[in-house]
Amino acid sequence: EPEVTQTPSHQVTQMGQEVILRCVPISNHLYFYWYRQILGQKVEFLVSFYNNEISEKSEIFDDQFSVERPDGSNFTLKIRSTKLEDSAMYFCASSGGSSSYNEQFFGPGTRLTVL
Amino acid sequence: KNQVEQSPQSLIILEGKNCTLQCNYTVSPFSNLRWYKQDTGRGPVSLTIMTFSENTKSNGRYTATLDADTKQSSLHITASQLSDSASYICVVSRQGGATNKLIFGTGTLLAVQP
Repeated sequence: EPEVTQTPSHQVTQMGQEVILRCVPISNHLYFYWYRQILGQKVEFLVSFYNNEISEKSEIFDDQFSVERPDGSNFTLKIRSTKLEDSAMYFCASSGGSSSYNEQFFGPGTRLTVL
Repeated sequence: KNQVEQSPQSLIILEGKNCTLQCNYTVSPFSNLRWYKQDTGRGPVSLTIMTFSENTKSNGRYTATLDADTKQSSLHITASQLSDSASYICVVSRQGGATNKLIFGTGTLLAVQP
């Protein structure tokens, strides 16, 4: 069964460093998403991406964040200068369509720890 | 404000017992409501999805109900198993917007004990 994969599973970085979180969405999906979950809190929407551009982003997704689909398979989230409060689980998701009825399939997540 | 609230926060039950989890939402305009299961350290996995016209939907031992008038939903788990131990999250999708942005509840942490 096709699934969304994410690497690395755990990333530890120093405050101020840049990190890139990688995702491989399900191959025939066209819509991609990033969510984050701070420990003990709810999952929060960050950004959605379609046709090589951002479709929608939340207020959390400020200028230090960027997303890219560098090739036909990977979808990346870059955090330019990490802060302590960026420590969280980051989930990538993909769907076959943009309709609210299209199911989003989530990856296993990357745990980001900023020291 | 678009919010999804769940209760209880946590629940402990014995294996084989049934349980019901609650969800209230204020998301508008409403499109659909989903229940997800999230194992510790893993991504959420969809259990059910319901539109406003659907009152109930089952997926094996999971049965979800939806009352779009009162904006309430429940997830009933029958004959619980140890593997049901997880966080169960109520997620609501809004109509409109550029893409399908999901609004998550805080989840109910279920522990099934032998």
